[in-house]
Amino acid sequence: QLQLHESGPGLVKPSETLSLTCTVSGGSISSSGRYWGWIRQPPGKGLEWIGSIYYGGTTYYNASLKSRVTISLDTSKNQFSLILNSVTAADTALYYCARHRDLFDPLDVWGKGTTVTVSS
Amino acid sequence: SYVLTQPPSVSVAPRQTARITCGGDNIGGNSVHWYQLKPGQAPVLVVHDDSGRPSGISERFSGSNSGNTATLTISRVEDGDEADYYCQVWDNTDDHWVFGGGTKLTVL
Repeated sequence: QLQLHESGPGLVKPSETLSLTCTVSGGSISSSGRYWGWIRQPPGKGLEWIGSIYYGGTTYYNASLKSRVTISLDTSKNQFSLILNSVTAADTALYYCARHRDLFDPLDVWGKGTTVTVSS
Repeated sequence: SYVLTQPPSVSVAPRQTARITCGGDNIGGNSVHWYQLKPGQAPVLVVHDDSGRPSGISERFSGSNSGNTATLTISRVEDGDEADYYCQVWDNTDDHWVFGGGTKLTVL
């Protein structure tokens, strides 16, 4: 059964870089789905799609975050990653990784999420 | 950008039917997906493509989509259905996923 697990620092200072990793188990990241995405939920607020990456490397980003976001794949480690630059308190959120079989398909497998707080 | 509007909360007694709406401009022309979120757990896809039910999801969950409103219906509501529910569509204009604001379902 495919499982996703987010990991990374729980605390990041303002203006610094947030870096998270999603480890895929129970299947190969190259064959268990074609798109891998990041979604976040600020405290008390709704879900926000950050972006997704095609297993071939093409990326798709939320326009509101595009200038600060990079999503990449590491097939040798069966992982994909999120980098968010120049963070502020508004980036404090529960960050999820998820799979979708095609760009327009629903997110059918999710991780449990990891909390990131931006604070000095 | 495309906006999806959900009621902040819905309350229903056990064994009754809960209906959670998701409003958007001509949303009937889009495929709508619904997710269930519970604290400390991975989100779960409960309805896909307006009315499809993923493997393992109870038949009590169903969906519909027409005009400017999509609806998630939960029949014979149980205590375990208490959660936040989010609708989602692909915004063709801005090429990105959009979520509704979420609805907290309370079982009385």
